Amino acid sequence: QVQLVQSGAEVKKPGASVKVSCKASRYTLTSYYMHWVRQAPGQGLEWMGIINPSDGSTSYAQKFQGRVTMTRDTSTSTVYMELSSLRSEDTAVYYCARVLRGVGFDFWGQGTLVTVSS
Amino acid sequence: DIQMTQSPSTLSASVGDRVTITCRASQSISNWLAWYQQKPGKAPNLLIYKASSLESGVPSRFSGSGSGTEFTLTISSLQPDDFATYYCQHYNSYSATFGQGTKVEIK
Repeated sequence: QVQLVQSGAEVKKPGASVKVSCKASRYTLTSYYMHWVRQAPGQGLEWMGIINPSDGSTSYAQKFQGRVTMTRDTSTSTVYMELSSLRSEDTAVYYCARVLRGVGFDFWGQGTLVTVSS
Repeated sequence: DIQMTQSPSTLSASVGDRVTITCRASQSISNWLAWYQQKPGKAPNLLIYKASSLESGVPSRFSGSGSGTEFTLTISSLQPDDFATYYCQHYNSYSATFGQGTKVEIK
């Protein structure tokens, strides 16, 4: 069974950066694009961006342009999402999700809670 | 940008009820629409893709329909395990947009 295992919870101060990892197993990372989605407490799902692990190309939601960077390390089958200039409104659970072309997000990570607080 | 609007935001229903959730796109998206179920503290789970295709392992009481700008998710006979929040999603090669969600509560 495909697995996406994310890094643990983080607590950050306003203005800091956070880097969340998502390690893929039981499939070839470079064969599927990966998305990042976040969910603030009690709120809905918000799409952040996508990375093509094969060549590292990315596309980000306009809201996060300039603050988010998605990267990958094919040697460890891991993708990363780094969000900078954190503010309290960035407190959320961050998910990675594999996309099966033409289908949708078929596998998700377990989520990583990022808390931004002074 | 394409906007996705779900209705209702909350729905109260009883076990055995037929439930319908609507999702509207701000412009035509053909059939590039998925539905997800999310339970508290868990990641979303894919139910329907390409508007009407049932994901493997999903009970047949779930069905989807529509194309263009208007879509529906129907649960033919609500079961106790179905009380959750449901999201529609438009997706293409390089982006995705979610509806705001519909919470299905016990009446």
